[in-house]
Amino acid sequence: DVKVTQSSRYLVKRTGEKVFLECVQDMDHENMFWYRQDPGLGLRLIYFSYDVKMKEKGDIPEGYSVSREKKERFSLILESASTNQTSMYLCASSLGGIGYNEQFFGPGTRLTVL
Amino acid sequence: GDSVTQMEGPVTLSEEAFLTINCTYTATGYPSLFWYVQYPGEGLQLLLKATKADDKGSNKGFEATYRKETTSFHLEKGSVQVSDSAVYFCALGYGNKLVFGAGTILRVKS
Repeated sequence: DVKVTQSSRYLVKRTGEKVFLECVQDMDHENMFWYRQDPGLGLRLIYFSYDVKMKEKGDIPEGYSVSREKKERFSLILESASTNQTSMYLCASSLGGIGYNEQFFGPGTRLTVL
Repeated sequence: GDSVTQMEGPVTLSEEAFLTINCTYTATGYPSLFWYVQYPGEGLQLLLKATKADDKGSNKGFEATYRKETTSFHLEKGSVQVSDSAVYFCALGYGNKLVFGAGTILRVKS
């Protein structure tokens, strides 16, 4: 059974803190993604990675960075958390051909920044 | 640019009612089209997809037909169940991108 896991389901942080969200997939997928999900806005792509150490900006990369040191792991970093980054964060992975292949999602991390 | 527009929710139906969730898209080229579903407390999962015009995707009693002439991919189900209560996302994919709609909340009452 394919699986994408995220390190936390719920997280509460203070403004200015550095925040790490971790994602692990066990399907040997090349591609990994970080989205944020907000009511009425759907899913917006923050960053994606198509290979180890490779990354591409998505639609809303400002305030975020990512790291992919191993194929199975993709980390999202908030260098200095702000209240407008309170959101649900979803990680996903897929085989090559991003626009054509199914993406497999983790359960999400609900981040609250106070 | 490329975009997906879904009907606004929430949509509230009684069990065994017919469901339609409208989805239209704007795209250059010929995208693949997807419906994803998000059950409460879970991540998204693929419900169905279609890769070319006139293709019909189907799964779990849900269907959607890729209509190039109307740029639509409406989701339908003949008889909904309480367990279908979820958020439904239409998406288009091409090249190295997947573009999601805003999502439609479906609530089914017994």
